[in-house]
Amino acid sequence: QQPVQSPQAVILREGEDAVINCSSSKALYSVHWYRQKHGEAPVFLMILLKGGEQKGHEKISASFNEKKQQSSLYLTASQLSYSGTYFCGSYVMTTDSWGKLQFGAGTQVVVTP
Amino acid sequence: DTGVSQNPRHKITKRGQNVTFRCDPISEHNRLYWYRQTLGQGPEFLTYFQNEAQLEKSRLLSDRFSAERPKGSFSTLEIQRTEQGDSAMYLCASSALAGERAKNIQYFGAGTRLSVL
Repeated sequence: QQPVQSPQAVILREGEDAVINCSSSKALYSVHWYRQKHGEAPVFLMILLKGGEQKGHEKISASFNEKKQQSSLYLTASQLSYSGTYFCGSYVMTTDSWGKLQFGAGTQVVVTP
Repeated sequence: DTGVSQNPRHKITKRGQNVTFRCDPISEHNRLYWYRQTLGQGPEFLTYFQNEAQLEKSRLLSDRFSAERPKGSFSTLEIQRTEQGDSAMYLCASSALAGERAKNIQYFGAGTRLSVL
């Protein structure tokens, strides 16, 4: 039931691009992207609410295809600071569940000089 | 804005001991969540509060786990008779209640890392 992320890990050189995918077997009403560095809190990056919506945070952008039940995160011209583990999360939308954010297993991104 | 604060950051305990963690949410946030994270996995939902009311608990939360949020401010998570399988990072998050639940953005603390020997 949790979202499935791919790839599990990616190694980039500074300036290269990467795509992280998040897909679900259940309907997605919103997708939340976080980045977590080792030993630190997961940091909220962006939320996508509508089908086909795209958002951006500096050179990190994301798209959300509601029909395909998937979201993609795009790292463009990667910087060393982009290193970390990226998680996508979605809410379980049942009548008795308002707070359960379900996360994928994460994609580890390593950006090298 | 001081963010979500968790204490202690690290806790080492012996099997069978009780431990308690504290979470202080962002001051204007009325929702508070607890998650558990093990190595190589995403955060796993445990329970959440709206103000002082505990609204949902995961099946993962055995009888040895209890959470409270007296007065709707800080929260504590207690684990009784700890087991080695309880070793994990325990994360707390908070949010302001949004009109549409899908827009509910959760902000995380840095977590408490528990090691049970």
